[in-house]
Amino acid sequence: QSVLTQPPSVSAAPGQKVTISCSGSSSNIGNYFVSWYQHLPGTVPNLLIYDNNKRPSGIPDRFSGSKSGTSATLAITGLQTGDEADYYCAAWDRSLSVVLFGGGTKVTVL
Amino acid sequence: EVQLVESGGGLVQPGRSLRLSCAASGFTFDDYAMHWVRQAPGKKLEWVSSISWSSGNVAYADSVKGRFTVSRDNAKNSLYLQMNSLRAEDTALYYCGKDLEPIAAGGIDYWGQGTLVTVSS
Repeated sequence: QSVLTQPPSVSAAPGQKVTISCSGSSSNIGNYFVSWYQHLPGTVPNLLIYDNNKRPSGIPDRFSGSKSGTSATLAITGLQTGDEADYYCAAWDRSLSVVLFGGGTKVTVL
Repeated sequence: EVQLVESGGGLVQPGRSLRLSCAASGFTFDDYAMHWVRQAPGKKLEWVSSISWSSGNVAYADSVKGRFTVSRDNAKNSLYLQMNSLRAEDTALYYCGKDLEPIAAGGIDYWGQGTLVTVSS
């Protein structure tokens, strides 16, 4: 049911920047807020971004979100080894009446 | 401090039922929508179901529609997931999550530790 498309993986060296795209449609991203989650192995998922570009308290400003039309992007700057995790976008879909999670993107720090 | 504690997981045979519970504390439970999200072994996160603050709006993933029922008891600060006709593919770690809003908008700001459901004969 995942109609939010993310790249399977992205990688970069420590200190560099990575961006993760999340492509949807007018039924979801185009008309609803996007949230982003970090999921490290063996831990509980963690909300990084909500309402497209807002950070919960405690989330460093190295993480930023944006949205344009039916796509959203998560950017991570100053990449650290501790950022190695799976990252998911999510949004409500009005046609399906479900919450959609993207397929997830694995971030590797080289 | 917000706490979400799931319970009710375990080993169950295919076709049988199981009821998960999530006890919430540290926030005004009836102000927020709640979610169930699962992760099968080696797989990605999958949203399962959500329920609005008043239980007036519920939603299910296609994979569980007609078999699972979400409910909440605001007087007991508790969320439930009744799972019937369980299948092997329902095997997963089930997380309870709190939404940022009264109606599910996909922003889950707190997660429980999860309860493991294993469907096997």
